[in-house]
Amino acid sequence: KAGVTQTPRYLIKTRGQQVTLSCSPISGHRSVSWYQQTPGQGLQFLFEYFSETQRNKGNFPGRFSGRQFSNSRSEMNVSTLELGDSALYLCASSLATGRGGNTEAFFGQGTRLTVV
Amino acid sequence: AQSVTQLGSHVSVSEGALVLLRCNYSSSVPPYLFWYVQYPNQGLQLLLKYTTGATLVKGINGFEAEFKKSETSFHLTKPSAHMSDAAEYFCAVSAPSGNTGKLIFGQGTTLQVKP
Repeated sequence: KAGVTQTPRYLIKTRGQQVTLSCSPISGHRSVSWYQQTPGQGLQFLFEYFSETQRNKGNFPGRFSGRQFSNSRSEMNVSTLELGDSALYLCASSLATGRGGNTEAFFGQGTRLTVV
Repeated sequence: AQSVTQLGSHVSVSEGALVLLRCNYSSSVPPYLFWYVQYPNQGLQLLLKYTTGATLVKGINGFEAEFKKSETSFHLTKPSAHMSDAAEYFCAVSAPSGNTGKLIFGQGTTLQVKP
């Protein structure tokens, strides 16, 4: 069974540009979550999508957005990039249906974004 | 609101020694708790999880953790450290509903294993 796939693995962008990151979840998983990892702030939750709807949202500015497609693949977009957006962006998929029962999140290898 | 505190950002042990990584959580409802490991330039891999039932949870690679409600703790242990255990470890708690994809992570603990 294929794991969570994130593309690209590495990305260098200039301040002010925008960027789109992609995440393909494990087959059958309808929940996709995004996290930002930095040395200073650690792992912070960005948002979660389930069946093409945003189900949870973290405390990030509106420059950070996401979407999910009917095949559960997800993208996140960051507009007007700032130097502080440099981070490892991790995507996780799970079977979390929201109707009870425990689930676990499976993580991709991440996209390393560097803003210069 | 839920939160997780990992005591000690760096822990150093000798190969063969006991590994103890500390995690305390705050939650107004019964939590789901997780330990993840991250190797350099990699994503997170689940070591073990606690949901309900037995409070002593065994995971992969010889790790285990015990849920202690009275102490709001979920410490990770391994009897004998291997060089391959050197990595960063994260404790996490799930959102109150316990069944969404949102995890709240601690700041992480870097484990160094000395030969």
